[in-house]
Amino acid sequence: QVQLVQSGNEVKSPGASVKVSCKASGYSFTNYGVTWVRQAPGQGLEWMGWITTYNGNTNYAQKFHDRISMTADTSTGTAYMELRSLRPDDTAVYYCARVQLAAMLDHWGQGSLVTVSS
Amino acid sequence: DIQMTQSPSSLSAFVGDRVTITCRATQNIYNYVNWYQQKPGMAPKLLVYAASTLQPWAPSRFSGSGSGTDFTLTISALQAEDFATYYCHQTFHTPYTFGLGTKVEIK
Repeated sequence: QVQLVQSGNEVKSPGASVKVSCKASGYSFTNYGVTWVRQAPGQGLEWMGWITTYNGNTNYAQKFHDRISMTADTSTGTAYMELRSLRPDDTAVYYCARVQLAAMLDHWGQGSLVTVSS
Repeated sequence: DIQMTQSPSSLSAFVGDRVTITCRATQNIYNYVNWYQQKPGMAPKLLVYAASTLQPWAPSRFSGSGSGTDFTLTISALQAEDFATYYCHQTFHTPYTFGLGTKVEIK
């Protein structure tokens, strides 16, 4: 069955970077894109961007454009999201999700909590 | 950016009630709307895609409708397990924005 398994929770200091991984299984990794969505504590969902896994093309939300990188390792079926220059308001659960037709997100990872605190 | 105005932000209803959640887009997005259900501490789950197509796992009491700028998610007869937060999500133009969510509570 389709599974997306994310890396563990992280605690970071302001100004640091974090890299969250998302390992896919149960389907052909390069046939689908991966989107990253985050959710601050008690808040709604925020779309961060997506990566086309077969060629590495990315589309980032302008809000994150200068400090985010999404990559995909096709040899291991793993997607990565790196966020730099972390601020306390980046504290959130970060989710990866498989992108299906018309960008619907049909399978999600379990989430990775990133806490930014001094 | 396309804004998705979702209402209400929360509601409380009895088991068996009909519940309607709406989303309004700031421009025509045709049928590029998906709905997600999120239970506390869990990842969201795709419930309805392309405005009106129900995911195979979803009970038939859920339905989606609308096109253009106005969209609706309806639960025809609310069940206790439907306690969750529901989000609309437009995928017509990046950034693919979400509504702020509707928290459904059972009376």
